[in-house]
Amino acid sequence: DGGITQSPKYLFRKEGQNVTLSCEQNLNHDAMYWYRQDPGQGLRLIYYSQIVNDFQKGDIAEGYSVSREKKESFPLTVTSAQKNPTAFYLCASSTRAPRGNEQFFGPGTRLTVL
Amino acid sequence: SQQGEEDPQALSIQEGENATMNCSYKTSINNLQWYRQNSGRGLVHLILIRSNEREKHSGRLRVTLDTSKKSSSLLITASRAADTASYFCATDGGSSYKLIFGSGTRLLVRP
Repeated sequence: DGGITQSPKYLFRKEGQNVTLSCEQNLNHDAMYWYRQDPGQGLRLIYYSQIVNDFQKGDIAEGYSVSREKKESFPLTVTSAQKNPTAFYLCASSTRAPRGNEQFFGPGTRLTVL
Repeated sequence: SQQGEEDPQALSIQEGENATMNCSYKTSINNLQWYRQNSGRGLVHLILIRSNEREKHSGRLRVTLDTSKKSSSLLITASRAADTASYFCATDGGSSYKLIFGSGTRLLVRP
């Protein structure tokens, strides 16, 4: 059963803590993406990766970090430098070419800072 | 700023009616996509229309694209309560692998 999974579904963080959100896909996609969604808003791109061991900053990368050591996995770390991290985080994947391909989304992780 | 902006921000219709949502964008594109999001869930791809296409159908969905006006519309015919969701357009900006999403239209279909 192919797809993209995210864990955990809900995450609570104390101020000053780093937390890591998991994203795994078994679709054999080269490209993976992290988005942030605030209530009633659209998606904003945090980071994306087109291939293993390579990633680029999106529009709101400050306070976040990623790694892409395996094709299947693209974890996102929300660091203490992110001043307003409470949001819904979505991971997506797609084939690498041609440009602007359909993206497949995970179910999301809702992060709340206590 | 967002590449795509949807209009209206919210739409409430009766089951069986048609729902039309519009999207405007700012730069040239290779294609435009529409996605659906149920509350608290991930997005689901609905349809992709390429820049050289003017209209595309998929089941009860009809998408149009006018590149001269930099706009697209999504029509859902014979709406059902299960169509209640947020709908987003997304463009590739013409030169990038990444998508740029609009702020979405929240559709409520009343039974």
